[in-house]
Formats: sequence, C-alpha cells, structure tokens
Amino acid sequence: QVQLVQSGAEVKKPGASVKVSCKASGYIFSSYAISWVRQAPGQGLEWVGWISGYNGNRNYAQKFQGRVTMTTDTSTDTAYMELRSLRSDDTAVYYCARGMGTTADFDFWGQGTLVTASS
Amino acid sequence: SSELTQDPAVSVALGQTVRITCQGDSLRTNYATWYQQKPGQAPVRVIYGKNNRPSGIPDRFSGSSSGNTASLTITGAQAEDEADYYCNSRVSSGDPVVFGGGTKLTVL
Repeated sequence: QVQLVQSGAEVKKPGASVKVSCKASGYIFSSYAISWVRQAPGQGLEWVGWISGYNGNRNYAQKFQGRVTMTTDTSTDTAYMELRSLRSDDTAVYYCARGMGTTADFDFWGQGTLVTASS
Repeated sequence: SSELTQDPAVSVALGQTVRITCQGDSLRTNYATWYQQKPGQAPVRVIYGKNNRPSGIPDRFSGSSSGNTASLTITGAQAEDEADYYCNSRVSSGDPVVFGGGTKLTVL
C-alpha cells in the first residue's frame, strides 16, 4: 500500500534552517510528484511547492522562493524539503503529498511534521 | 484571480444533506479536488475529477461543478463527517496550486 512517512518534529530558532524528509513506499517513486503543503496552527492548507519524482523538476510557491529547496533521493525514494531563514510564522505542520504530474490532485499524504520556530 | 473561496462554517442536521461550495476563476477550466481533515490528522482526499470517489470513501459524498463553482455534497450526513473540508485546484497563472480557505462542517 502507498505510504508517505515523514521525519519527526523539529524545534528551531528563528533564522535557522530545517530539513524535513518524506519516505515513499508502495509505488513507483518516479511516476509521481511530491508536493509540500503546510498548515499553521488553526489555519488552512497552504501549498509550498512540488518536485517531480521522475526528473527532479520543481516549482515553488512565489512566497517561498529563495528560502525553500526541494530535493529527492531516488536511491531511497525519499523527498526532502529544506526551509531556510525560519521565522516564527513558519511554525506549522508540514505535509508531503503525492500527486500525478503537475496536477493539484493529491491522493496520499504523509502524517505531517511539526516545525516550531521559536527563540 | 487565483483564489478559491469557501464559506468558513456550515452546519447540517444529522441525516440531512449539505452542500459545501468552492468558488474561483480557476474552476472554469480545472476540476476541484476535495479533502476532509479531522483534528490532528492529515487531509484525506474525498472527491477528485468530475465526480470520483477514492476507494473507501462512502457514496454519500459527491461532487459537481458549474461555472466558477465546485460543490461537495454529503447526502445523509453522519456524525463522523464533522470535519474541515478543503478544495484545491490547478491554476494557470501565478502559483500553480491553490487551496480554498476551508469549511468547518458541524453535524448537529
């Protein structure tokens, strides 16, 4: 069965960087893209960007460009999202989600990773 | 506009029918996908494409679209349907993916 298993919660100081992982199993990693979606406490879902599992092509939301880098390791079927220069308003649960190509249809989601940016 | 607009909150009596809507220009040319999110859990896709339900989603959930509005209908709402519901779609300008603000469904 399809599974996306994310790394554990992180606490970082403002200005630091965080890297969250998302290990995929149960499907052909290169046949799908991975999107990252975040949810601040009590707020809605916000798309951060996506990366192709096939060729690593990526597209970031304008809001995060310059601060986010998404990568994949096809040897371990793992996607990564690094967010730099953390601010307190980056505190959120970060989800990875599987999507077919460049669609907005996300059929399987990871369990979420809480990233807390606090001094 | 690349935004998707949802009513913040909707309520329905147990066993009745409720429609949750999502409005935006992108919906004129793209289908919405609907997600259900319960407290402390990851979102779960409930409707995609024209009106498709993933395996395991009850058939009381259905989707439709007209013009710039997509709708999620729950026919015979159950207590376990109480959750937040989000729509999203592909967008042709600006960021390629946008989410609606979410609708909190209360089952009375």
